[in-house]
This record gives sequence, structure tokens and C-alpha cells, in this order.
Amino acid sequence: DAKTTQPPSMDCAEGRAANLPCNHSTISGNEYVYWYRQIHSQGPQYIIHGLKNNETNEMASLIITEDRKSSTLILPHATLRDTAVYYCIAPNYNQGGKLIFGQGTELSVKP
Amino acid sequence: GAGVSQSPSNKVTEKGKDVELRCDPISGHTALYWYRQSLGQGLEFLIYFQGNSAPDKSGLPSDRFSAERTGGSVSTLTIQRTQQEDSAVYLCASSLDPPLRGAGEQYFGPGTRLTVT
Repeated sequence: DAKTTQPPSMDCAEGRAANLPCNHSTISGNEYVYWYRQIHSQGPQYIIHGLKNNETNEMASLIITEDRKSSTLILPHATLRDTAVYYCIAPNYNQGGKLIFGQGTELSVKP
Repeated sequence: GAGVSQSPSNKVTEKGKDVELRCDPISGHTALYWYRQSLGQGLEFLIYFQGNSAPDKSGLPSDRFSAERTGGSVSTLTIQRTQQEDSAVYLCASSLDPPLRGAGEQYFGPGTRLTVT
């Protein structure tokens, strides 16, 4: 897996956009970037993934830089329920798809 | 539809006893993964199944840990002679295929919290 680097923690005001950065400077050309989150005492939840184009779904948007060395997960209108640890992962598909989780970013959404 | 289910949700056992943890993946998912998460730690990969075979067992921490999958569905993780350091949340995930070029995100169960006293 490409090594990913994320800030350990971030705060966000409720209703505002949460922008979570991730550096993955060693990512290979065919490695996707995945984002998961883990709400306290629950299993991780898939959010979104992308290769080189920006992606959007009902949960979030993913912006990937043109050189693919970094990306940003955007929660457009954060709610208290978005408080969680967010993981950025770039799995190596030669390894059978196992996910290597780093420490992630602990996002606290405050009222 | 039904998600990944795991049982039991909580298990307390005495040091030295054997435990079995069960995972029921999403129907039709051929790939199944076991992870564990120790208190305050990140998630650690244990083993991966494609169908009933396990091409990647690299994450199993010792020979006390084993896993099997039958009928391409249910999987059991067995820990023999449990130790206190085995205390953790054990998570199971499944996907349609091994993720190939972004085709297969993983769906996680709620986990089994194992406490070894």
C-alpha cells in the first residue's frame, strides 16, 4: 500500500464544510484512493474512492490533485453524527485487497 | 439488504481458553477479511479469504490463531490458549471480489469485543 499521511485531529463547526487532507506521494498509477470512517464503537464504513478524477456521492466529495500525490475528502455540511475517525487508504491490489489502516484523522464536529 | 453480521458481540474468556468468533458476510460476497483493533490502536489485517481458500494469512499474529471459511460464506476465527494481549475488537469485512481497480469496497460488521481475563 502507498503510505498515507493525515493530520491526527481536526475540528469543524456544525453545518460548515469539513475538509480532510491526505498525502499519498508514493501512490502508484493504478492505486485508487479510498476513504473510510469509523464512528465510535462501530465497524469502519466505506465513504468514497477515486483514481484521478474528482468524485461525489451522497456522503461526500473527493478531490484528487492532478499529480495524485494528495487528496481531500469534503463533507459539505458536517453534522454532529459525522464525528468519527476518517481513514485515507491506497490499497495495493497485488496484496489481495487487504486494507492497511493508518491512524486516521479524528474529526470532531462541534455545535 | 442484510449487512455483515458477527457473533458474539461480546466475549469474556479466561486466559488459556479457546474462543471461536463467527462472521456472516453479505450474501454473494466472495471475499472475506478479518481485522482486529486493540484499544486505542488502528485496525490490523489478519487474514483474507477468496471463496474458501485463504491466499493471504500474513497478518495472523501467531499459530494460536486460525480461520476457516465453509461454503464460500460463513467464516470462523479461532484463537487457542487465549492470552491477555488477544483482547481486542475483531472485525470482519466482505466484498464482492478482491478490490480490483476500485471495483470492490469492503463492508464491515459491527465486530466482536473479546476480553481475556
